[in-house]
Amino acid sequence: EPEVTQTPSHQVTQMGQEVILRCVPISNHLYFYWYRQILGQKVEFLVSFYNNEISEKSEIFDDQFSVERPDGSNFTLKIRSTKLEDSAMYFCASSGQVSPLHFGNGTRLTVT
Amino acid sequence: AQTVTQSQPEMSVQEAETVTLSCTYDTSESDYYLFWYKQPPSRQMILVIRQEAYKQQNATENRFSVNFQKAAKSFSLKISDSQLGDAAMYFCAYRSANQGGSEKLVFGKGTKLTVNP
Repeated sequence: EPEVTQTPSHQVTQMGQEVILRCVPISNHLYFYWYRQILGQKVEFLVSFYNNEISEKSEIFDDQFSVERPDGSNFTLKIRSTKLEDSAMYFCASSGQVSPLHFGNGTRLTVT
Repeated sequence: AQTVTQSQPEMSVQEAETVTLSCTYDTSESDYYLFWYKQPPSRQMILVIRQEAYKQQNATENRFSVNFQKAAKSFSLKISDSQLGDAAMYFCAYRSANQGGSEKLVFGKGTKLTVNP
């Protein structure tokens, strides 16, 4: 069964540094997402991406965040200047026109 | 805005027994989808079961079934014949049907299920 893959599985960065989280969605899916889960809390929607543009974003997704689909297969989340409170598990997900959401295994981001 | 509430932070069940996890939600929409996701210690999010609001029949997937009460806005998950591998965090989630193909989900805070041997 096709999977959403995310790299790296764990990323440690210093406060103020830029970080890029990478994802390869399922190949025939059309919608791409990033969700975030701070340790011990619920999963929160960050952004959805369709037809090469952001279709919806949450209030969490401020100017420090950006997404890109640079080459037709990868889907990236960039955090421009990380803060301590950005430490969380970041999940990439994708879906087709009628298929449900498929999540990747997540990237654990630790900001020190 | 839609909200999802899981009132049980933790639940435990004996192996082979049945357990029910509660979920309520708030929405003004008439058409939507509801989901249960399982998150084992590996942190992966795994879809357990999905329910379309327009379907009166409760969804079932092997040992997992739901009790969907639309008027009460309740969507509980029943796990029968619990197994040690069922131990995980369980998240209830809501999705509006008015999103085209988009799958923006609103999650509850989760219920941690422990299965005792």
